[in-house]
Parts: sequence; structure tokens; C-alpha cells
Amino acid sequence: GDSVTQMEGPVTLSEEAFLTINCTYTATGYPSLFWYVQYPGEGLQLLLKATKADDKGSNKGFEATYRKETTSFHLEKGSVQVSDSAVYFCALSDRDSNSGYALNFGKGTSLLVTP
Amino acid sequence: DAGVIQSPRHEVTEMGQEVTLRCKPISGHDYLFWYRQTMMRGLELLIYFNNNVPIDDSGMPEDRFSAKMPNASFSTLKIQPSEPRDSAVYFCASTPRGGDTQYFGPGTRLTVL
Repeated sequence: GDSVTQMEGPVTLSEEAFLTINCTYTATGYPSLFWYVQYPGEGLQLLLKATKADDKGSNKGFEATYRKETTSFHLEKGSVQVSDSAVYFCALSDRDSNSGYALNFGKGTSLLVTP
Repeated sequence: DAGVIQSPRHEVTEMGQEVTLRCKPISGHDYLFWYRQTMMRGLELLIYFNNNVPIDDSGMPEDRFSAKMPNASFSTLKIQPSEPRDSAVYFCASTPRGGDTQYFGPGTRLTVL
């Protein structure tokens, strides 16, 4: 079945450091890929998405490129801020699978940015 | 738009009691999802509806769990009887027809003592 694997956390960075959170996926069809962010005590919010190979999603300085050849969708940001501290979830939606429109999430990566 | 609304935000109950969680999706959204989040298992899909009809309930843990969507603006997730291992944060999300972005509610934190 479909699955998402993302790097274990927690990740601790100093402000203005470069961020990479790795995400790889397994899917039978042609999934859409997502990064969601969860701030403490809140629900998940869409950060960015990509729906086909080589698409780049971007938002708030974060970027991720849909790489079909490596089945990856790594999240990057050039200069993190304290306000980026949150849990980041990689997810896929594969309409060709039994789960259809549902999201299949990775375990989440906790990011802490220190001043 | 008020977003997805969930109630209650926090629920503390004793083992054996019935628990009902409620969700109001964004108006006009055709799909509604229930997820459960725990430290051990992460985010798991429990069930989802399309136009008020359950499509996939394979994630519902056992017969103690049931979900309904009597109309387009309301869904419930019921646990009867509740057990301590049901303690988790339960999220509801909705998606418009043809869309792929899910909009999440703030969640209900359930503690079963």
C-alpha cells in the first residue's frame, strides 16, 4: 500500500539556519504530495503541495519539489525563524488507490528554532 | 469563512462512558474526514464521507467506534464504551469537490481515565 516516510525528529536549528526535512513515498499511482504544518495546540494547515512530477510547491519561504525518479518530496527553507517552530507532516493523496481522497501522513518531524 | 468547527475542544471522561465528538465542515465541501493523532501511531484516517455517504471506514478501530453524517453540515464520531487507549486528538477535515487540499479543524483532545 501507499506510505510516506519522513526523517525522525526533533530537529533543532538556530535562527537563520538552512532547513531540510526529508520525505520519501511509496505509491501505486500518481499521487499528489503535500506538506502540512501543525503549530502547538492547533490543527494542521496546508503549507505547500505539488500534484505532478517536477512541480515545485512553495509558500512562506518553504519549497519542495516532486521528484518521481527518487520518489521524494523534501522540504527546504533557506533561513528559518523562531516562528517556524512546529511539527511538519509530509503526506500523499492517491486517487487511484483504495483510500482515494484521504491523506496518508508521515509520522511528523518536530522542528525547534532557537534565537 | 469560519473554517472547520469541532466540539468539544477537550473531553475528559471515564472508561466505559459514551463519547460523542462533533464536526461542522466548511460549507460547500463534499468530503469529510475523521483522523486520530497519537504519539505512538501518528495521524491515522478513521473514516471519510462523500456527500454524506461513508466511503472508507477501514480505519475505524473496532465496533466501539461509529461515525455518522446526517447532513452536509454535521458529522459525529461516537465511541461507546470508551477505553483509556482511545485517548488521542481527533481531527475532522473537509475538502471541496475536485479539490485536493484538506482543511482541518482544531481537533478534540480526548482523555479517557
